[in-house]
Amino acid sequence: QVQLVQSGAEVKKPGASVKVSCKASGYTFTGYYMHWVRQAPGQGLEWMGWINPNSGGTDYAQKFQDRVAMTRDTSISTAYMELSRLRSDDTAVYYCARGAPGIAAAPSHYWGQGTLVTVSS
Amino acid sequence: DIVMTQSPDSLAVSLGERATINCMSSQSVLYNSNNKNYVSWYQQKPGQPPKLLIYWASTRESGVPDRFSGSGSGTDFTLTISSLQAEDVAVYYCQQYYSTPWTFGQGTKVEIK
Repeated sequence: QVQLVQSGAEVKKPGASVKVSCKASGYTFTGYYMHWVRQAPGQGLEWMGWINPNSGGTDYAQKFQDRVAMTRDTSISTAYMELSRLRSDDTAVYYCARGAPGIAAAPSHYWGQGTLVTVSS
Repeated sequence: DIVMTQSPDSLAVSLGERATINCMSSQSVLYNSNNKNYVSWYQQKPGQPPKLLIYWASTRESGVPDRFSGSGSGTDFTLTISSLQAEDVAVYYCQQYYSTPWTFGQGTKVEIK
């Protein structure tokens, strides 16, 4: 069965970086785009971008363009999202979510369990 | 960016009654070449990730009870729960994946009256 298992909670200071991992299993990792979505406490969902695990190509929301990097390691079926220059308003649960085969514009059928990133001095 | 606006923000419905959530996009999300509306609906319960209910505006995800249905086209969409059950208490989000950045509605909280 498809599973996306994310890394554990993180506490970071303002200005630092965080790297969240998402290990995929139960399907061909390189066949499906991976999206990252975040949710601030008590707030709604915010799409951050996607990575094509096959090519490594990415598309980031403009809001995060200069601070985010989405990468992957196909040898261990793992996607990563690194956010730099953290601010207090980056405190949120970060989710990875798998789309449909081979296309970016598709709904997310599977989601990771989420990773809480807390930014506090 | 395409803005997705849901209404109402919250909804209290008696068990067994119908719940209706509306979602309006600021521009059409209907892709003419394949006649598909690039809209999905998610359910989120506290402490859990979102769960996909409906995609392409009206296709029910496998395993989702048939009391959940989606409709609409162009800019106006609706999620209907035909007979509300206790386990349906959650926040519901619409999302467009027509163009990046993908955007979500603000969410609609469904409670039992």
